[in-house]
Amino acid sequence: RKEVEQDPGPFNVPEGATVAFNCTYSNSASQSFFWYRQDCRKEPKLLMSVYSSGNEDGRFTAQLNRASQYISLLIRDSKLSDSATYLCVVKNQGGKLIFGQGTELSVKP
Amino acid sequence: DGGITQSPKYLFRKEGQNVTLSCEQNLNHDAMYWYRQDPGQGLRLIYYSQIVNDFQKGDIAEGYSVSREKKESFPLTVTSAQKNPTAFYLCASSMVSWDSEKLFFGSGTQLSVL
Repeated sequence: RKEVEQDPGPFNVPEGATVAFNCTYSNSASQSFFWYRQDCRKEPKLLMSVYSSGNEDGRFTAQLNRASQYISLLIRDSKLSDSATYLCVVKNQGGKLIFGQGTELSVKP
Repeated sequence: DGGITQSPKYLFRKEGQNVTLSCEQNLNHDAMYWYRQDPGQGLRLIYYSQIVNDFQKGDIAEGYSVSREKKESFPLTVTSAQKNPTAFYLCASSMVSWDSEKLFFGSGTQLSVL
């Protein structure tokens, strides 16, 4: 089983749609959780950290469920510019970062 | 402007050839990392360095080598022992080791085999 596993993509949605991505992790001792965004053949950039209480940044909401060992990212009112690959990242108890394989999102007009 | 610079953007390797990917940062970061990304896969750690003159193997170090003689520089050599080198290579740095909230990536190098 992979340490970090994401919904297989791609997700093709119309503008204005709400879309949710899920990510599961296998190590219950994992410490921190993040969502990164990666545009095609570009470097990943931190989108947001994921806190136990859940957190929101504009149209983006991240949630963590430690009991079930999953993280989610919700994008509301999706824009064309949201088209990218979203990477789930987990920091394990040794401090190393483990990247998921990414979920590709394509927002269409 | 501070940042992390990778070069070249595209690199082609012949069979049996060693090639070196450059990574330079002027952020005064102690930690630097090399990742490999294959299509449809997440980033996999090749090597990392937490301080000058020290580095550790990551999850897929075989066929690669690194050096960290200067704080600013962390070049990656893809040796002929790496049988499947075609991939997108990303260098990253952080002030504190494994601080993903402050992890900066270079723009990547696409390596292909001729």
